Amino acid sequence: GAGVSQSPRYKVAKRGQDVALRCDPISGHVSLFWYQQALGQGPEFLTYFQNEAQLDKSGLPSDRFFAERPEGSVSTLKIQRTQQEDSAVYLCASSLRRDSINQPQHFGDGTRLSIL
Amino acid sequence: AQTVTQSQPEMSVQEAETVTLSCTYDTSENNYYLFWYKQPPSRQMILVIRQEAYKQQNATENRFSVNFQKAAKSFSLKISDSQLGDTAMYFCAFHNNAGNMLTFGGGTRLMVKP
Repeated sequence: GAGVSQSPRYKVAKRGQDVALRCDPISGHVSLFWYQQALGQGPEFLTYFQNEAQLDKSGLPSDRFFAERPEGSVSTLKIQRTQQEDSAVYLCASSLRRDSINQPQHFGDGTRLSIL
Repeated sequence: AQTVTQSQPEMSVQEAETVTLSCTYDTSENNYYLFWYKQPPSRQMILVIRQEAYKQQNATENRFSVNFQKAAKSFSLKISDSQLGDTAMYFCAFHNNAGNMLTFGGGTRLMVKP
């Protein structure tokens, strides 16, 4: 069956440009998560959706970061006025139920973002 | 806030041997889940094994098993009969009852040598 799909796989942008990263979760999965993984480090939580509702955005590093999931399925992570420190792999994960603690998170392959 | 620490940045093991990866965590919660994820160069995070804190019995999944010491807040992963395909980054992760995200450690790079 299809897993979590992320696009693009690689994105190169110039400092100051806006970028949009897409995540297609597993069909029927209620919960969706975004993580940021800097080179050589573990992923760090950015934000969480339950269906279309963004219930936690405490991990977003600045107001340049914005995420949406308008129909409760596909999600987009947008970064405005990119900076070099935004260079990282952005991972998306989804889980089946509202109570995600009892359901494992399934991860996509990530988008590697490089800011020049 | 929870923290997860993996004290071994890199480990290596000979094929068919056994290796143990260490993980410690800090929390004031009593009920939570712990996970080990594998991340090969393809970048996809793959769940290896999980442990529920209220269960005393250590989880096992084929060649993978954990040593969960709740009082010591320790959660190590043992890989038996190591295979070349086990070469990857391994991340320990924590999930509590109240939160909705995983807190990851810094990872251990494991290399299995032929």
